[in-house]
Amino acid sequence: DQQVKQNSPSLSVQEGRISILNCDYTNSMFDYFLWYKKYPAEGPTFLISISSIKDKNEDGRFTVFLNKSAKHLSLHIVPSQPGDSAVYFCAASGAGTASKLTFGTGTRLQVTL
Amino acid sequence: DSGVTQTPKHLITATGQRVTLRCSPRSGDLSVYWYQQSLDQGLQFLIQYYNGEERAKGNILERFSAQQFPDLHSELNLSSLELGDSALYFCASSPRRVNTEAFFGQGTRLTVV
Repeated sequence: DQQVKQNSPSLSVQEGRISILNCDYTNSMFDYFLWYKKYPAEGPTFLISISSIKDKNEDGRFTVFLNKSAKHLSLHIVPSQPGDSAVYFCAASGAGTASKLTFGTGTRLQVTL
Repeated sequence: DSGVTQTPKHLITATGQRVTLRCSPRSGDLSVYWYQQSLDQGLQFLIQYYNGEERAKGNILERFSAQQFPDLHSELNLSSLELGDSALYFCASSPRRVNTEAFFGQGTRLTVV
């Protein structure tokens, strides 16, 4: 049962444009959502998070939007840079999950010149 | 550098053998999580410890076990290894019980031949 889903396995975006990565979840107990970035042969690196009491959180070029009614969140990267090329994982945790993070399957972002 | 240390980085072993993966969490972090990432798949939660006690269990096989020691480091023991156990094993740590990001180590790549 995949409780966190990233339906796009890959995304290609031109440098300077906006990258939008999407994530859907099914467990209504989730109340904290995170995005991680992963380079090959490295561990995931925390990017940005959002609590369910908010609908938007911004940190520099990264903004996460949460739509609780649709059980959907997205990560916007503006402007995209070649160094952003990596696999992005959406994760969720919350009450009843003992704070463990449930991850999506990831979206591979390629930022082209 | 996330502050989470995993050893060894690489491990090659034969089917039927037993291995131990080690994780040192960030200083002060009480929670330790273990995740498995098989080829091109997402991160599957295995088990969580909080201050020495098992807190949550995921899809961890009976052949696998873990513990967290008084100094908060953790070990994941994998026994009767099968080819399908070949994967990246990540350890992560976090300071609090709920709603916080976890910081990942660089992983141990296990290859079973």
